[in-house]
Amino acid sequence: ETGVTQSPTHLIKTRGQQVTLRCSSQSGHNTVSWYQQALGQGPQFIFQYYREEENGRGNFPPRFSGLQFPNYSSELNVNALEPDDSALYLCASSFLDPLSETQYFGPGTRLLVL
Amino acid sequence: DAKTTQPTSMDCAEGRAANLPCNHSTISGNEYVYWYRQIHSQGPQYIIHGLKNNETNEMASLIITEDRKSSTLILPHATLRDTAVYYCIVRFLSGSARQLTFGSGTQLTVLP
Repeated sequence: ETGVTQSPTHLIKTRGQQVTLRCSSQSGHNTVSWYQQALGQGPQFIFQYYREEENGRGNFPPRFSGLQFPNYSSELNVNALEPDDSALYLCASSFLDPLSETQYFGPGTRLLVL
Repeated sequence: DAKTTQPTSMDCAEGRAANLPCNHSTISGNEYVYWYRQIHSQGPQYIIHGLKNNETNEMASLIITEDRKSSTLILPHATLRDTAVYYCIVRFLSGSARQLTFGSGTQLTVLP
């Protein structure tokens, strides 16, 4: 158990809808990263938040957005959902330090877009 | 981040050591080697990481060659619960975002 929790566990949406996924970080961590994992592939980095600011972004369109709250929990928002957005969405929390930064993953939210 | 090459799949007998290789011939001097594993439909689990020296923890050992161009993850006594996809990742620990770049990994199957 990593202490990272995500909700909901599963979700079904239709094309064009919007979705919000939530992540609660491990105690003591100040950084949250989000990943998308399509079926049969490795996770792909979406973005990272540190001290409530976006700290880097992968190759994802602006309809993927996020928030980090003062208690270091985080949300991933996806607008205008497309069927290709169907995937396992993973969040990972870490403590950002110059010499070490190990990311610990939550169980994921499985999203299906019809 | 440097690219890694791993075998697509490996089998190991239960109770035996599982040795998972990773090639990272373009690794730079300040890139770390990380290993994660992912059991079907779960979030990736951190195993171990290292820079130059060999590392050991309660889960595994990491052996990095002297030239750092390859490494081996060793699970000393594999059990059925070690069946998973194992990812070898090299990454900087500097700069702003420190994302993990996952490849295809190695599917390890532990056989009874």
